[in-house]
Amino acid sequence: SSELTQDPAVSVALGQTVRITCQGDSLRNYYASWYQQKPRQAPVLVFYGKNNRPSGIPDRFSGSSSQNTASLTITGAQAEDEADYYCNSRDSSRNHPHWVFGGGTKVTVI
Amino acid sequence: EVQLVESGGGLVQPGGSLRLSCAASGFTFSNYWMHWVRQAPGKGLVWVSRINSDGSRTGYADFVKGRFTISRDNAKDTLYLQMTSLRAEDTAVYYCVTEKNDYDVLTGVRSYYFDYWGQGTLVTVSS
Repeated sequence: SSELTQDPAVSVALGQTVRITCQGDSLRNYYASWYQQKPRQAPVLVFYGKNNRPSGIPDRFSGSSSQNTASLTITGAQAEDEADYYCNSRDSSRNHPHWVFGGGTKVTVI
Repeated sequence: EVQLVESGGGLVQPGGSLRLSCAASGFTFSNYWMHWVRQAPGKGLVWVSRINSDGSRTGYADFVKGRFTISRDNAKDTLYLQMTSLRAEDTAVYYCVTEKNDYDVLTGVRSYYFDYWGQGTLVTVSS
């Protein structure tokens, strides 16, 4: 089972705003990173750290974090944003560093 | 242009072995920590293993420890994953990914992230 918890699915009307959340104890120590995955494609990094968007990622993608929760917000969702979104962080809770992913959130743009 | 090209996947019987390779180009491979991440059909992403830049330190998810070995050849810009004692539940697409980290000086909090991904190679464990 995932050590980061995400809602399985969310829908958003075209042009509206949607927030995807990710909860886990590791997020108290590390910022999350977020990945977008479209069908039959490799994941793509869309946000990381406190406030970092990789080159080429639209500025409608933003992130935030508080305590044990990280969020990815899509402001003005577009049809091409329909995808699965995964959060990830490093975790030092065991005797060796490891990385954990959330179970993923399927975003449907209606 | 950064490229990560995985190879070596295929069909293998339970209990069998397979070695995956990931050929890197477009960046200084020897400077990067590298990871393997897998995704079972229709399922989510799962972290498998990581190796530091010179290959001296490795780490594994509990479910592969003792069965999988990550390694690298910096002279060949190639990452490997040797998989033994394969099980049906190891069936997945295996991705090679690069790791970076970012430190926020105001909060003192670091983030680790996977900035480049290969296209993946499918491993199917079945009799």
